[in-house]
Amino acid sequence: DTEVTQTPKHLVMGMTNKKSLKCEQHMGHRAMYWYKQKAKKPPELMFVYSYEKLSINESVPSRFSPECPNSSLLNLHLHALQPEDSALYLCASSRDYLRIRTATNEKLFFGSGTQLSVL
Amino acid sequence: KQEVTQIPAALSVPEGENLVLNCSFTDSAIYNLQWFRQDPGKGLTSLLLIQSSQREQTSGRLNASLDKSSGRSTLYIAASQPGDSATYLCAVRYGRGGTASKLTFGTGTRLQVTL
Repeated sequence: DTEVTQTPKHLVMGMTNKKSLKCEQHMGHRAMYWYKQKAKKPPELMFVYSYEKLSINESVPSRFSPECPNSSLLNLHLHALQPEDSALYLCASSRDYLRIRTATNEKLFFGSGTQLSVL
Repeated sequence: KQEVTQIPAALSVPEGENLVLNCSFTDSAIYNLQWFRQDPGKGLTSLLLIQSSQREQTSGRLNASLDKSSGRSTLYIAASQPGDSATYLCAVRYGRGGTASKLTFGTGTRLQVTL
């Protein structure tokens, strides 16, 4: 199984809603990532979890709250979002993050993303 | 500032043609470079990863090269097919010694292979 599964595929929410994006992998990877991608732009890193601990927060606003309940799951909780937060949210995983000396550890596997629209 | 640039932004070629996509980076102290493919509204698929000590990697009709001294990587696609139509992104992980930075993505090249 070399898949990263993201749900839902599409999400429309109002600015007062609370919603969550979910990501799951069963490859035994210990690093998981959230990226945000606007149309025709490259992905931008938001968060990195390594061994279920938050390793990197790229100065993301607190209305985005990540959670890693176990080594297979990664959530992104959304609250009081703005219309400019509308984007494709991508989850990714890799075998490791801190020890990246080998190509095996480094290769990123991406999910298909959640297309988020904030009204 | 560590930047990654991809030119051209868009490319259209007839089926069967061999083509080269370019990626330039500003700092030669890279850890590795990856090439990804992205279909519209979808996630990224890793195609090839080149470590800083390597000069090229091959997978099927794809060949990626790395020249750190000139700050360039190329992705060569042989005998292009309509199914190759997608956006191709290169991503660089900079770093020295035991530490490495996050991936820095280029803006991508949108490839269309026509019948």
